[in-house]
Amino acid sequence: GENVEQHPSTLSVQEGDSAVIKCTYSDSASNYFPWYKQELGKRPQLIIDIRSNVGEKKDQRIAVTLNKTAKHFSLHITETQPEDSAVYFCAASIGFGNEKLTFGTGTRLTIIP
Amino acid sequence: ETGVTQSPTHLIKTRGQQVTLRCSSQSGHNTVSWYQQALGQGPQFIFQYYREEENGRGNFPPRFSGLQFPNYSSELNVNALELDDSALYLCASSLANRGADTQYFGPGTRLTVL
Repeated sequence: GENVEQHPSTLSVQEGDSAVIKCTYSDSASNYFPWYKQELGKRPQLIIDIRSNVGEKKDQRIAVTLNKTAKHFSLHITETQPEDSAVYFCAASIGFGNEKLTFGTGTRLTIIP
Repeated sequence: ETGVTQSPTHLIKTRGQQVTLRCSSQSGHNTVSWYQQALGQGPQFIFQYYREEENGRGNFPPRFSGLQFPNYSSELNVNALELDDSALYLCASSLANRGADTQYFGPGTRLTVL
């Protein structure tokens, strides 16, 4: 089955700097890659997703890139703010986005004021 | 916030007992997926219900079972609870329309097995 690896497990950046989180997946059939943000004690919240027919997607300070050949995708957060502090999970699935999601192990991002 | 709700918020059970967790999907959604999130880990897929039928299952034993009702709400039942079942149980609802589908999570039920 699909296996998703996520790095780093923890990341601390100064406020205003950029943060990058990387994930690799094993199943070349995977074609949908969402990113979820989970604050302490709260639900995972979808922040951005990308499908395999595009290589990059941006939404204000957040961007995701996908390299299908290398089977990896990355989350980029620019101009980080204290409210960006949370655990971020990448995931992969095969289909339209409604199917089983295989998650990475998470990255705890801390923004240092 | 999503329109996905779960109950109860917290639950404490003892080993060997049975538990039922509930999920109300977002209005208009016809699919509910259940995930188990152990402390410090990513969510693990348990199973999915689409139009009241099980539509895929992860690597969980048969003592994990579920239901989906005509209004698309769902239940997760766990029998013969074990200590390792202690986790946050999340449901996610989505609309399966073969388009750009997205799963939206509920707030979860924190289950503690003593």
